[in-house]
Amino acid sequence: AQTVTQSQPEMSVQEAETVTLSCTYDTSESDYYLFWYKQPPSRQMILVIRQEAYKQQNATENRFSVNFQKAAKSFSLKISDSQLGDAAMYFCAYRSSNFGNEKLTFGTGTRLTIIP
Amino acid sequence: NAGVTQTPKFQVLKTGQSMTLQCAQDMNHNSMYWYRQDPGMGLRLIYYSASEGTTDKGEVPNGYNVSRLNKREFSLRLESAAPSQTSVYFCASKYTSGKNTGELFFGEGSRLTVL
Repeated sequence: AQTVTQSQPEMSVQEAETVTLSCTYDTSESDYYLFWYKQPPSRQMILVIRQEAYKQQNATENRFSVNFQKAAKSFSLKISDSQLGDAAMYFCAYRSSNFGNEKLTFGTGTRLTIIP
Repeated sequence: NAGVTQTPKFQVLKTGQSMTLQCAQDMNHNSMYWYRQDPGMGLRLIYYSASEGTTDKGEVPNGYNVSRLNKREFSLRLESAAPSQTSVYFCASKYTSGKNTGELFFGEGSRLTVL
C-alpha cells in the first residue's frame, strides 16, 4: 500500500520570502501522479500543482514549483515570493496511474503561516 | 459555476441517529468520492463511485453507505451515527479517462458532530 509522509506539521515564512514544504512517499509502482493541495480556512481543497512520475521535468505553476526526486521518492513544494493569501494547510497526495485505482492517498498536512 | 455542492454544511447528531449527506456536481464528471478529514490524519477515502451505477469501498467504509443516484449525485448515509464519525466530510469528483489523469474537484466540506 502507498503511504505519504509530511514530516513538517507547521512551517512559517516571512512575506515575500521562499519556503519549501517536504513530502515523501512509498510505492512499488513506477507510474503514478503526485499532487499538492491547498486548504485555506474556508476548508475547500484546491489543487496547487500536479506531477506525473514519468515526466522528469519538475512541474511549475507561477510561484509554485516542485522538486521531484523519483529515486528518493521525494516531492517537495517550493513557494516563491510568499504572499499572505498562501497561508493554509498544504497536503501532498499520491495516486496510481492504473485505471480503476481511484484511491488518492493524502499526507497529514503542513500548516503554513505567512508572517507580514 | 457551482462545481461540487454539498449539503448540509454543518450538522449535529445524537448517537444512534441517522442522516444523509448530499453531494451534486455539475461538471459532467463520471467519478465521485467521499472523504473524511480528521485532525492529524489527512483525508481518508470512505467510498467512491467510478461511474454511474457502481460504488466501491475505500479506506474507511465501516458505518457508512452510499448511493450513486445518477451521474450528478452521490450521497453518503450514516445509518446509526457514532461519536467516532465526528469529522469533516468532503465530496469530490473528477473525469476519469483510461489514463486516470483527471483533476479532483472538492466541495466545501460538511462538518458533522455526533454527541
